[in-house]
Amino acid sequence: QVQLVQSGAEVKKPGASVKVSCKASGYTFTSYYMHWVRQAPGQGLEWMGIINPSGGSTSYAQKFQGRVTMTRDTSTSTVYMELSSLRSEDTAVYYCARGFDSPWWPHDPWGQGTLVTVSS
Amino acid sequence: DIQMTQSPSSLSASVGDRVTITCRASQGISNYLAWYQQKPGKVPKLLIYAASTLQSGVPSRFSGSGSGTDFTLTISSLQPEDVATYYCQKYNSAPMTFGQGTKVEIK
Repeated sequence: QVQLVQSGAEVKKPGASVKVSCKASGYTFTSYYMHWVRQAPGQGLEWMGIINPSGGSTSYAQKFQGRVTMTRDTSTSTVYMELSSLRSEDTAVYYCARGFDSPWWPHDPWGQGTLVTVSS
Repeated sequence: DIQMTQSPSSLSASVGDRVTITCRASQGISNYLAWYQQKPGKVPKLLIYAASTLQSGVPSRFSGSGSGTDFTLTISSLQPEDVATYYCQKYNSAPMTFGQGTKVEIK
């Protein structure tokens, strides 16, 4: 079955960077887009961006432009999301979520989430 | 960017009640609208896509409708396991914005 397994929780200081991984299994990795969504404590869902695992092309939400980088490693079927210049407002659970063979498609399934805590 | 506005932000209803949640887009998005359910402490789950297509395995008491700018999610007979926060999302273009969520509780 399709599975997305994310890396473990992280604690970072303000100004640092964090890199979260998402390992896919159960399907052809390069055939489906991958999204990243975050959720601050007690808050709603916020779409961050999308990566095409086939060619590596990306599209980021304007809010994160310049601070986020999404990459992939096809040899391990893993996508990565790196967020730099962290501030306290970046404390959130970060999810990867599979799309479809088109970028304009909803997300299913989702990874289990990775809690990133930014604190001095 | 297109904004997605849900109403109400929360509701309380009795088991067996019909529940309706609305989602309004600030511009037309055709039927590129999805609904997700997030139970407390759990990962979001896709319920409906293309405004009205039920994802496989989702109970038939859930239904969606709408096109353009106005959409609804209906639970025909609320069950205890439906306690969750529900989010709409537009996905016709980036950014794929979510609504702010509607928290559904049992009265």
